Amino acid sequence: NAGVTQTPKFRILKIGQSMTLQCTQDMNHNYMYWYRQDPGMGLKLIYYSVGAGITDKGEVPNGYNVSRSTTEDFPLRLELAAPSQTSVYFCASSPTKGEQFFGPGTRLTVL
Amino acid sequence: DAKTTQPNSMESNEEEPVHLPCNHSTISGTDYIHWYRQLPSQGPEYVIHGLTSNVNNRMASLAIAEDRTSSTLILHRATLRDAAVYYCTININDYKLSFGAGTTVTVRA
Repeated sequence: NAGVTQTPKFRILKIGQSMTLQCTQDMNHNYMYWYRQDPGMGLKLIYYSVGAGITDKGEVPNGYNVSRSTTEDFPLRLELAAPSQTSVYFCASSPTKGEQFFGPGTRLTVL
Repeated sequence: DAKTTQPNSMESNEEEPVHLPCNHSTISGTDYIHWYRQLPSQGPEYVIHGLTSNVNNRMASLAIAEDRTSSTLILHRATLRDAAVYYCTININDYKLSFGAGTTVTVRA
């Protein structure tokens, strides 16, 4: 099993550009999450999903959108990139209860 | 949502135990306490979780206060590979995690 995979590993965007961060898990988990982690800080929840077709906002959803058309995939969309979105983005998945499994992260810089 | 408070950093010698405290005074009765750790340039990794009783696994032990307002993660014999940021998190409604700033653990050889 690959677990949780994220692409790309690194990306530099210009202000106003758009991009999609990809996240895929092969553990058949219902729950999936997107977090961001600013330097020296803990993780903040952006969006989460409790199953295909269901998504909900976390603590910091502004400037992001998500979709969940399949159990495996949970892409995160940035429509108009801003410098404040420079961060490391982590995707995670979990069974209904219990531990979350995290991906390796995507390091995004907006200039 | 319940918040957690942890010391910014702790140091330990190799092969010695490490006790990492966490305060979560606003925790509700059904919230689980989860601990994760994050090695440099990696995603967080699950360590242990519990509700009311103390818990043990191959990585660590979790001691939970009787009133559940605090807990302590215990690494029984620290190794250099245990150097990481340790996060005490509250698992809200069985799946959402609320992360604080964590404790940076340094292990001296």
